[in-house]
Amino acid sequence: GAVVSQHPSRVICKSGTSVKIECRSLDFQATTMFWYRQFPKKSLMLMATSNEGSKATYEQGVEKDKFLINHASLTLSTLTVTSAHPEDSSFYICSARDLHPNTEAFFGQGTRLTVV
Amino acid sequence: KQEVTQIPAALSVPEGENLVLNCSFTDSAIYNLQWFRQDPGKGLTSLLLIQSSQREQTSGRLNASLDKSSGRSTLYIAASQPGDSATYLCAVDAGKSTFGDGTTLTVKP
Repeated sequence: GAVVSQHPSRVICKSGTSVKIECRSLDFQATTMFWYRQFPKKSLMLMATSNEGSKATYEQGVEKDKFLINHASLTLSTLTVTSAHPEDSSFYICSARDLHPNTEAFFGQGTRLTVV
Repeated sequence: KQEVTQIPAALSVPEGENLVLNCSFTDSAIYNLQWFRQDPGKGLTSLLLIQSSQREQTSGRLNASLDKSSGRSTLYIAASQPGDSATYLCAVDAGKSTFGDGTTLTVKP
């Protein structure tokens, strides 16, 4: 299957700083990428959908100024957590699909963010 | 809004037992349904993907079925092993994936 690479896999940052997470589709062009967040012992919640070259669509309750998403190319989307706080500590995972909307979405390995 | 429910939330079985995990969804207009495994502190491992036009998929000891009209899918695990212990998530894809809360499986030696 197709490969989606997410980096870094783990990151620790200080409160008030920003951290960027990258999601790359390695062998296909990803028109659409999705960002999910997983709280401890909970399932994955969709945060936002990004389409290449346009603004991301955020789910209700997700602060777009705090979670900045950029999908500048067909192979790269980034999620930047700005002014991080300990409550932002979580597992973040991206997925990507190619040009056809009914094809399989492939998931990255996830990023464990810890804000201290 | 799509809602995905997984039953049971937790399951503990002795090694060797066959078991069934259930997933139900409210909107049948889906592209596909996918079963994942997640080990503690780790990412997702895709187990089986069933397209909306398919009824079932098999991989080794795993068999997943899909009844789109009734909004149900099952994951059957044959001859369970301690290494199968993990959280199993189902995700329904209708343009974007909606996940269930998962079933945490413990297989005792």
